[in-house]
Amino acid sequence: GAGVSQSPSNKVTEKGKDVELRCDPISGHTALYWYRQRLGQGLEFLIYFQGNSAPDKSGLPSDRFSAERTGESVSTLTIQRTQQEDSAVYLCASSRTEGGLYFGPGTRLTVT
Amino acid sequence: GQNIDQPTEMTATEGAIVQINCTYQTSGFNGLFWYQQHAGEAPTFLSYNVLDGLEEKGRFSSFLSRSKGYSYLLLKELQMKDSASYLCAVSNDYKLSFGAGTTVTVRA
Repeated sequence: GAGVSQSPSNKVTEKGKDVELRCDPISGHTALYWYRQRLGQGLEFLIYFQGNSAPDKSGLPSDRFSAERTGESVSTLTIQRTQQEDSAVYLCASSRTEGGLYFGPGTRLTVT
Repeated sequence: GQNIDQPTEMTATEGAIVQINCTYQTSGFNGLFWYQQHAGEAPTFLSYNVLDGLEEKGRFSSFLSRSKGYSYLLLKELQMKDSASYLCAVSNDYKLSFGAGTTVTVRA
């Protein structure tokens, strides 16, 4: 596609439910990143994929968070047993080489 | 660790110039990026500095001093549409670490 796409654009869920966020990177971009942005704050690194492997998961806040990437394209970020502090915009970005990230529009997650 | 500092807010008048400073202390450095983020939207790439000096691109310029751990983004001939958050980000190998962003408000 022309750019990075993410779905859903908005997600409202009840505390304790699981959610799955999807990212479709730019075709041919081998590097894929997930960031989280809480309201009024900067971008917080979550996880980095190079191809289908994730050499850096250091930013995942807890074991409730997991991510996978298949076919060097689509990635899903799963949050289990959501908590209110998980409410944020989750941004996906891809890159042909390290650095120079192209961001998707984000998924706004609200946990009630 | 990573420490990237930039002012929280700046206000300027349409047609004026604003300079957004960014200082960083990071465990590694490959380059420095500036991104623009309008409210409710994703960040978009503005500039990338690898070597010391000034990079000019239209109304926007970015400067880097690696020895001082310092960069600035210069916005000239401000327009109302420049009202946004400006994010400084340091690249270390594969990872981009972001500052909290500077919200620039342009007044008529």
